[in-house]
Amino acid sequence: GAGVSQSPSNKVTEKGKDVELRCDPISGHTALYWYRQSLGQGLEFLIYFQGNSAPDKSGLPSDRFSAERTGGSVSTLTIQRTQQEDSAVYLCASSSPTGGTEAFFGQGTRLTVV
Amino acid sequence: TQLLEQSPQFLSIQEGENLTVYCNSSSVFSSLQWYRQEPGEGPVLLVTVVTGGEVKKLKRLTFQFGDARKDSSLHITAAQPGDTGLYLCAGESYNQGGKLIFGQGTELSVKP
Repeated sequence: GAGVSQSPSNKVTEKGKDVELRCDPISGHTALYWYRQSLGQGLEFLIYFQGNSAPDKSGLPSDRFSAERTGGSVSTLTIQRTQQEDSAVYLCASSSPTGGTEAFFGQGTRLTVV
Repeated sequence: TQLLEQSPQFLSIQEGENLTVYCNSSSVFSSLQWYRQEPGEGPVLLVTVVTGGEVKKLKRLTFQFGDARKDSSLHITAAQPGDTGLYLCAGESYNQGGKLIFGQGTELSVKP
């Protein structure tokens, strides 16, 4: 596609359930980021994939959070046993190896845990 | 841990006024980016500054990278209601494979 695509755009889940958020980056982009954003706040770094290197998972807030990137393309962020404090917008971004580090963002997934 | 501190966090001004947003860190970055985000959308890149002391202009917006590459500023001249949004600075780390670290953002509201 022309841009970064995230799905679903909105997700309401019950506390304790697991959720999967999907990100389709721009074709050819080797770097992929996941960030979390609370209302009106900045972006909290979660995880960073760069090519075939081991991902930087230093921002994952707990072991309930995990992410994978299959075949260097699509990424899935999984949150297990969701809690109310997990409610936020989850943003995915990708960048090109030849275009500097300009990050192109998807529109995000708004997660609400009730 | 590299941190970027943005100030002010909130700014409400009248149309036609000037404003400056600051982005500061104790860490050196290889580049510094500024993004603008509107409600319901992802951030969109405005500019990237790379060289210490660099100044870039984008219409009424002027961006500066500090000489030591630890800080940056965004100055808007004669603000307009269309400038309303969340402004985010992001630093590209030197030794972490290009990871982008974002500041907490400045929420700007320009009233007509």
